[in-house]
Amino acid sequence: AQSVAQPEDQVNVAEGNPLTVKCTYSVSGNPYLFWYVQYPNRGLQFLLKYITGDNLVKGSYGFEAEFNKSQTSFHLKKPSALVSDSALYFCAVRDPTGGGNKLTFGTGTQLKVEL
Amino acid sequence: GAGVSQSPRYKVAKRGQDVALRCDPISGHVSLFWYQQALGQGPEFLTYFQNEAQLDKSGLPSDRFFAERPEGSVSTLKIQRTQQEDSAVYLCASSLVRDGNTIYFGEGSWLTVV
Repeated sequence: AQSVAQPEDQVNVAEGNPLTVKCTYSVSGNPYLFWYVQYPNRGLQFLLKYITGDNLVKGSYGFEAEFNKSQTSFHLKKPSALVSDSALYFCAVRDPTGGGNKLTFGTGTQLKVEL
Repeated sequence: GAGVSQSPRYKVAKRGQDVALRCDPISGHVSLFWYQQALGQGPEFLTYFQNEAQLDKSGLPSDRFFAERPEGSVSTLKIQRTQQEDSAVYLCASSLVRDGNTIYFGEGSWLTVV
């Protein structure tokens, strides 16, 4: 079975400071990992993904994430946060060998960026 | 538009009423998914289609839930005899069939059962 844990319900950061949103995963094979963002009353927007290759992946709006196989983590990062980054962030995993095509999501982390 | 389109965006149903939610995927996307997102929770998988074939329906919570994609394009999620616990956002998503392809989501259909 595949699963994702987002240990923080909420992350607060000051504008201009770096931000990190944590994600750990569990799969039986090699994972495909994704980050999505959800603004109020909207659907999920794709930010970035890791499939294979370089462990550091860059995505939309200046976000990046680092795949760490030994720690089974895929934390989302941004060097300098903006107030407009405030939203709900979801990490998701897919196990292409055991889980078929479906994504399994974490419970989400609310990011609040303050002036 | 180029994105996944869902309708209606908002639906209020009386308990016991049947509802139908429509999804129009991105053109050319073979794979289509339905997810359910309860308030304050992450999306939960309901079902998956590849073209018109429903390959995985393991997430459908009861036999009141039924999904179809008869021509391999537009899909409909039907909920019969709605209950209050069905109140949620129903998200449709689509992707190309190739392994590792990104799954793109629609804006969702917000269902409230009263």
